[in-house]
Amino acid sequence: RKEVEQDPGPFNVPEGATVAFNCTYSNSASQSFFWYRQDCRKEPKLLMSVYSSGNEDGRFTAQLNRASQYISLLIRDSKLSDSATYLCAVNNAGNNRKLIWGLGTSLAVNP
Amino acid sequence: NAGVMQNPRHLVRRRGQEARLRCSPMKGHSHVYWYRQLPEEGLKFMVYLQKENIIDESGMPKERFSAEFPKEGPSILRIQQVVRGDSAAYFCASSPSGKGVLELFFGEGSRLTVL
Repeated sequence: RKEVEQDPGPFNVPEGATVAFNCTYSNSASQSFFWYRQDCRKEPKLLMSVYSSGNEDGRFTAQLNRASQYISLLIRDSKLSDSATYLCAVNNAGNNRKLIWGLGTSLAVNP
Repeated sequence: NAGVMQNPRHLVRRRGQEARLRCSPMKGHSHVYWYRQLPEEGLKFMVYLQKENIIDESGMPKERFSAEFPKEGPSILRIQQVVRGDSAAYFCASSPSGKGVLELFFGEGSRLTVL
């Protein structure tokens, strides 16, 4: 089993739709979780950190489920500009600053 | 406030040559990370450095690859005697210091092509 797994997609959704991605992780001691966005041939950009209580930033909501060891990202009212690959990243246990990355979920928002 | 700066953006080398990739972290950031990304693959951790110290190089191939982050100047990822399999995008990221702070800010990447 991979340390961090994501459904590669692609997810094809119309503008205005709500779409959700999950990311599962294998190390139950992981403590830090992130969602990044990567456009084609560009660098990853931090979208949001994921906190235990869940957090929201505009149209984006991130949640953590420790019992089932996954994080989720919900995008409401999808825009064409949301089309990208969404990467989840999870740290190793302890003070280790190494992040383990999923392969990403591809999203295409269509007019 | 400039972001993470990487150069060159594109580098072409023939097999057996050396590749040097440079990275200047964001102002105020003392932690630098190098990642490699191959087409259709995820980001693979290579090395984590602080000024003048390699903290974790568990993702670095044992041969031909080295990294440094000198007291003055950018971090450098050096690949000696490149082979075709080294062709990839190499991303540098930086983060501020502070326990538990892991938010990474990436440079635009250096794309290495080995002919």
